[in-house]
Amino acid sequence: QSALTQPASVSGSPGQSITISCTGTSSDIGTYNLVSWYQQHPGKAPKLMIYEGSKRPSGVSDRFSGSKSGNTASLTISGLQAEDEADYYCCSYAGSSTWVFGGGTELTVL
Amino acid sequence: QLQLQESGPGLVKPSETLSLTCTVSDDSISSSNYHWGWIRQPPGKGLEWIGSVYYSGSAYYNPSLKSRVTISVDTSKNQFSLKLSSVTAADTAIYYCARHARYYDRSGYYNYFDPWGQGTLVTVSS
Repeated sequence: QSALTQPASVSGSPGQSITISCTGTSSDIGTYNLVSWYQQHPGKAPKLMIYEGSKRPSGVSDRFSGSKSGNTASLTISGLQAEDEADYYCCSYAGSSTWVFGGGTELTVL
Repeated sequence: QLQLQESGPGLVKPSETLSLTCTVSDDSISSSNYHWGWIRQPPGKGLEWIGSVYYSGSAYYNPSLKSRVTISVDTSKNQFSLKLSSVTAADTAIYYCARHARYYDRSGYYNYFDPWGQGTLVTVSS
């Protein structure tokens, strides 16, 4: 069970859209549509942003969206705002009652 | 509103056992749709799922930690606990507890960690 692969960092200007990828294998993302995404600001606990690949919990802005293609899941943030600057982590069910996280992506709003 | 709070020693000696407790407030730990999980984050690094437990006591663990981890639940106190044995410096991390949704209905599958406790830093050092 290896960690999911995310880019170490991405950046964008206010108002732009960015996409963070999360690459797994046929044993996790490729088989199960059970990817969740978390936002973590410095010194804070992670916050759920997306679950089941593309669903938003109540209270999460519709600027956040998720998708999946093959073994790769993606998180897109549109209309980038300064408050979106944070670390983002993906997580997938990996079968046999196990879960795996990605290594995290640092988002910088320029 | 559901809240989770981790508690336990902030300093553990190498080779000893790390013990943490998570207290759940404003919801029952015996809810049928939810399990309860532990996740850790070494300083400056990413998240790692440690394991989760159902209120019945059924627990499941990260294969890489399974030989050293025990997660248990105390429904009378609305708490669940983590024990990690034979710790080394590599186990130094912020330890988070979280509610772990694992159910489905007509709307789909619910499989995620939310909410999370504030986290507690555990340092392994002599």
